[in-house]
Amino acid sequence: SAVISQKPSRDICQRGTSLTIQCQVDSQVTMMFWYRQQPGQSLTLIATANQGSEATYESGFVIDKFPISRPNLTFSTLTVSNMSPEDSSIYLCSVGDYYEQYFGPGTRLTVT
Amino acid sequence: AQRVTQPEKLLSVFKGAPVELKCNYSYSGSPELFWYVQYSRQRLQLLLRHISRESIKGFTADLNKGETSFHLKKPFAQEEDSAMYYCALLGGETDKLIFGTGTRLQVFP
Repeated sequence: SAVISQKPSRDICQRGTSLTIQCQVDSQVTMMFWYRQQPGQSLTLIATANQGSEATYESGFVIDKFPISRPNLTFSTLTVSNMSPEDSSIYLCSVGDYYEQYFGPGTRLTVT
Repeated sequence: AQRVTQPEKLLSVFKGAPVELKCNYSYSGSPELFWYVQYSRQRLQLLLRHISRESIKGFTADLNKGETSFHLKKPFAQEEDSAMYYCALLGGETDKLIFGTGTRLQVFP
């Protein structure tokens, strides 16, 4: 298993600003995933972040809006850029593979 | 299109009653299916996966390809089973997890 921490746990931001979410894992992992969970919705994969290569974004998500860094095997960041109220969601980091993923506690973002 | 449907947002039962959380999927190939659970103030975690054919905390789930279902069952619910349950599909075409919208299970004493 893996222990994952996320910072911040929650934030309230004004529209037009950006927020960077950090994800730290207690062990080296190859694959890291970023998900979004909008109110009342299911988890939606934003992108897969592998160390040493560009993140792979899912349909509907673009790098300009959600830039991701993966500087090493234990850390990643997701930035939500030029925020609007529609970006209000819980953002989750997870690690593992497709057969078992371990999730962070999530970052609850509210955009006003 | 690959999709996971959990028709019930909320399921309420009394302790000791049987529980069935419904999950239907849409996928043309051979799916890999999972149940994830989130207890209050805890993070999302894997409960069980169909390829393991396991029983975890008394829960089982059988893949029914004819009905494209993967319902989660437990014969006697316990109060500690109260949580949010998500069904997820791993589709070979996209090779990513697709989650349903979740069902909140409330078990009353």
